[in-house]
Amino acid sequence: AQKVTQAQTEISVVEKEDVTLDCVYETRDTTYYLFWYKQPPSGELVFLIRRNSFDEQNEISGRYSWNFQKSTSSFNFTITASQVVDSAVYFCALSEVSVDSSYKLIFGSGTRLLVRP
Amino acid sequence: DTGVSQDPRHKITKRGQNVTFRCDPISEHNRLYWYRQTLGQGPEFLTYFQNEAQLEKSRLLSDRFSAERPKGSFSTLEIQRTEQGDSAMYLCASSLAGYTDTQYFGPGTRLTVL
Repeated sequence: AQKVTQAQTEISVVEKEDVTLDCVYETRDTTYYLFWYKQPPSGELVFLIRRNSFDEQNEISGRYSWNFQKSTSSFNFTITASQVVDSAVYFCALSEVSVDSSYKLIFGSGTRLLVRP
Repeated sequence: DTGVSQDPRHKITKRGQNVTFRCDPISEHNRLYWYRQTLGQGPEFLTYFQNEAQLEKSRLLSDRFSAERPKGSFSTLEIQRTEQGDSAMYLCASSLAGYTDTQYFGPGTRLTVL
């Protein structure tokens, strides 16, 4: 069965600190996608990144970076120089990829990030 | 492109009443998904459409739930004889098959059953 674990329920940092959000996943599929979404207080899920299981290159986008390691089944997300606007709940998600797949997302329980001024 | 829209944004109902939610996906997106999110949890998959065909339903979708996408565009989710346990945020997402398959979410409909 597929499963996503975000062990950190809540993280609190002071502005400008770096913070890493952990994500560990389980799947028997060899082909899959991994995602991160942000859910600000307004409630709408905002897409941040998608990673294909064959692409283990780390990615950087501005202050955001992602570390994908298949050997440890982890897809961690780091925010550098955090800002108050980064305060939100962040979800890691997994979807299987196959001809018959619905590509439905399996979400972790989320990590609430609070960035204090 | 306009994003995914959902209506209403909030719904308060009494136990036993029927409710219907609407989702308008991003135009040209042929896949549409419904998820349910309860407080402090991640969204859980409910059902999936490719065009007008409903291809997958979660066991979370009891007999009281029904979803349609009659012309492959907007979708409706109806809950009959609502129960207090149905109180949740109902999220709709859409994606374009064969392109990125990335799901983009609407703002959600928050249902409160009294």
